[in-house]
Amino acid sequence: DGGITQSPKYLFRKEGQNVTLSCEQNLNHDAMYWYRQDPGQGLRLIYYSQIVNDFQKGDIAEGYSVSREKKESFPLTVTSAQKNPTAFYLCASSKGTETQYFGPGTRLLVL
Amino acid sequence: SQKIEQNSEALNIQEGKTATLTCNYTNYSPAYLQWYRQDPGRGPVFLLLIRENEKEKRKERLKVTFDTTLKQSLFHITASQPADSATYLCALDHSGGYQKVTFGTGTKLQVIP
Repeated sequence: DGGITQSPKYLFRKEGQNVTLSCEQNLNHDAMYWYRQDPGQGLRLIYYSQIVNDFQKGDIAEGYSVSREKKESFPLTVTSAQKNPTAFYLCASSKGTETQYFGPGTRLLVL
Repeated sequence: SQKIEQNSEALNIQEGKTATLTCNYTNYSPAYLQWYRQDPGRGPVFLLLIRENEKEKRKERLKVTFDTTLKQSLFHITASQPADSATYLCALDHSGGYQKVTFGTGTKLQVIP
C-alpha cells in the first residue's frame, strides 16, 4: 500500500537531548514537509524540501534540523536548542504544488 | 501580515442539517484554497481544492465556495452525520512558485445524533 509513515508514535525527550523523528513515503512524491501542531495554533511549517539534497526553512525552523538524502525519507531532528519541543509533529508529502498527504504524526513529550 | 481566520469555537449541529464552516483571509492572493479534515490524534486528510477562477466545487455531500472579493471560503456538509464530527482546516497556497501552504487553526464540528 502506498502511503506516508512516521515513527515513533510517541517520543520522550530528556533535557539537553537531541531526538530524531522519522518520516518515510512510498508515494514517489518530490516534496516533503514537517509541521508542528500545538493546541489552538494550527499547523506551523518547520522545514520543507522540494527535491533530494535540498531543503528550506519554514516559519519556525529554529531548534530543528532536517536532511533529505533520499527521495523517500525526510527525518527531523529536534535539537536541545528547541526550548519548547512538546507538540504533535506531522510530516507530509506532495507530488506537485497542491494536495499534501499527511502521516499519522509523532507526539513528542519532554521528561 | 498574512492571516487566515477560522472560527475557533466549536460548531454543534443536529444530524441531518447542513454544516457551514467559514475561512477568511487577509493579505493573501491565493491561487487556490484547500480544505482538510483532521480527527483527534491523526494527520489531516485532504478533502477538496478550489482554484481562484472557480466559484464553487462539489464532492458528494461536500460543497466549497471561494469568493476572492470577500476573501472568504465557505465549506458546507449537507445531510450531516455524526461521522462527520472532526476538525476542518482550510489551507491557502503562497503565490510565488514554491510548494508551501499556510493552514488555518481549524474549526471543530460536532454533529449531534
